[in-house]
Amino acid sequence: DADVTQTPRNRITKTGKRIMLECSQTKGHDRMYWYRQDPGLGLRLIYYSFDVKDINKGEISDGYSVSRQAQAKFSLSLESAIPNQTALYFCATSEAGLAGGSNTGELFFGEGSRLTVL
Amino acid sequence: QKEVEQDPGPLSVPEGAIVSLNCTYSNSAFQYFMWYRQYSRKGPELLMYTYSSGNKEDGRFTAQVDKSSKYISLFIRDSQPSDSATYLCAMSDGGGSQGNLIFGKGTKLSVKP
Repeated sequence: DADVTQTPRNRITKTGKRIMLECSQTKGHDRMYWYRQDPGLGLRLIYYSFDVKDINKGEISDGYSVSRQAQAKFSLSLESAIPNQTALYFCATSEAGLAGGSNTGELFFGEGSRLTVL
Repeated sequence: QKEVEQDPGPLSVPEGAIVSLNCTYSNSAFQYFMWYRQYSRKGPELLMYTYSSGNKEDGRFTAQVDKSSKYISLFIRDSQPSDSATYLCAMSDGGGSQGNLIFGKGTKLSVKP
């Protein structure tokens, strides 16, 4: 089984619908992230969470919300989906603390959730 | 000017070629430099990590950081078809786990048999 699991892997929806993308991890990491990947724009951070009680906005949080239900679960919601939210979404995890020594700050990514908003 | 610039390619080379992938950046505070590899329909995975300046070698892969020029490179020797993927540079001032990792757009590499 994958260490970072995203569901659904593919979703097609219509403008105005509410969508939730879910992420669960078995790596035991405290930190979790949601990224969006678009052709020509690369990976951009939407939200991140350093622990269950800590939620932070990333570069492009408008139109999105998140919930950290447990250490292992971090979900991303689109309250009213619009076509320009069509993208590939990635969840990632990492160890806590500053990088250095054996901690490279490496992000461990899921396999992605492809969302199409018509 | 974007903080991190990376030529998206695509780059196509014959098997056995030496590949050079590059990124430039503008933030002199960046100290942590990474290369992620992303296969089609998969999430990125860390390939190389370098702190501050210098070179790091791992098998056929060499990562170089030149902080004076704000330029990082990834070299792949004896490239193989299995190296065909998108390569993303990433960097930050506090390590990737601080929520401030900036990614390049990625360079798509194809190694032809």
